[in-house]
Amino acid sequence: SVLLYQKPNRDICQSGTSLKIQCVADSQVVSMFWYQQFQEQSLMLMATANEGSEATYESGFTKDKFPISRPNLTFSTLTVNNARPGDSSIYFCSSRDRGPGQLYFGEGSKLTVL
Amino acid sequence: QQKVQQSPESLTVSEGAMASLNCTFSDGTSDNFRWYRQHSGKGLEMLVSIFSDGEKEEGRFTAHLNRASLHVSLHIREPQPSDSAVYLCAVSITGGADRLTFGKGTQLIIQP
Repeated sequence: SVLLYQKPNRDICQSGTSLKIQCVADSQVVSMFWYQQFQEQSLMLMATANEGSEATYESGFTKDKFPISRPNLTFSTLTVNNARPGDSSIYFCSSRDRGPGQLYFGEGSKLTVL
Repeated sequence: QQKVQQSPESLTVSEGAMASLNCTFSDGTSDNFRWYRQHSGKGLEMLVSIFSDGEKEEGRFTAHLNRASLHVSLHIREPQPSDSAVYLCAVSITGGADRLTFGKGTQLIIQP
């Protein structure tokens, strides 16, 4: 299995500021995925991040707004630029172990933008 | 574009009775189906994944997949109050096995 640790667990920021969310895996993983979950809603895939290459974004998400870095096989950072109240949600990172395909999720980072 | 719908939105079951949750999807070419649950305020817990038609059991959790019917279900045997949570069905996005589309979830309540 893969354990994914996210930091911070929760944060509050002012509109217009930027916030970084870190995801650390306890073993090397090929791809990391970032999801957004609004309150009482389901998870929406934002982007896929592979080591050494630019993240691939899903429709509705852009690298200018949500830049993602993946400097090595155990680490990824999601940044929320120019945060707005509409960005208030829980952000999850996800990855798969090298086995037949279990996809694991971090505990989530709850962001509140005032 | 893969669309995933879950039913019912909410389900109350007595402790010990079988709980059955349903999930339909739009793209029958997907080969990757997963069930997670999320306790209030917590992260996602992996329950069972299934990749071919038929049945897959993981402890008290059994998934049934019928791709021709665009349907995957989850059955929970002998549920306990601690199983009360939101259950999420996730289906792979076409062309990306690890990229998932989630349903909106079923709120399961197990009454003692």
